[in-house]
Amino acid sequence: KAGVTQTPRYLIKTRGQQVTLSCSPISGHRSVSWYQQTPGQGLQFLFEYFSETQRNKGNFPGRFSGRQFSNSRSEMNVSTLELGDSALYLCASRRGTGQETQYFGPGTRLLVL
Amino acid sequence: QQPVQSPQAVILREGEDAVINCSSSKALYSVHWYRQKHGEAPVFLMILLKGGEQKGHEKISASFNEKKQQSSLYLTASQLSYSGTYFCGTEGLSDTGKLIFGQGTTLQVKP
Repeated sequence: KAGVTQTPRYLIKTRGQQVTLSCSPISGHRSVSWYQQTPGQGLQFLFEYFSETQRNKGNFPGRFSGRQFSNSRSEMNVSTLELGDSALYLCASRRGTGQETQYFGPGTRLLVL
Repeated sequence: QQPVQSPQAVILREGEDAVINCSSSKALYSVHWYRQKHGEAPVFLMILLKGGEQKGHEKISASFNEKKQQSSLYLTASQLSYSGTYFCGTEGLSDTGKLIFGQGTTLQVKP
């Protein structure tokens, strides 16, 4: 069974631009969560989608948004990029929501210049 | 809300044992443990569910004290491949589906 895939793997943007990251979950998984990982803040929860609905949201500004499609694929968008948005963005999928094993994708490394 | 992990860092010799602790201030639905090596994504190790069920690796064990909202990960007879950063993720009863991670415990196993 194929794992979680994320595209692109690396991205360089400049301040003020916007970016869209994509995540394809494991087949049969309907829940997708997004995380931001930085050396200083660790792994921080962004949001969780299940069956195209955002179920949970972390403490990030409105510049961070996401959506999920009917095939469970998910996208995350960051508008008006700031230098502090440079991070590894990880998505993770699981079959359902709650008490389910969650599997991470390889991540997208975003550098904002 | 973020769970607290201890210790922050551990250095072991091959064959030694280690315990990593994770403590939460809220009622928990599940606790998840992951290991991340430098430059890689976190890899699932263990999930402990409210009610006592556990799923995970054969060589790694863990405990979940539901009353104290604490979990411990036990690494026995450590191998060089155990090196990495260990994260616990907690899922609260009030916000299932939202997995919040601790700050991580860095484990280094030396020959």
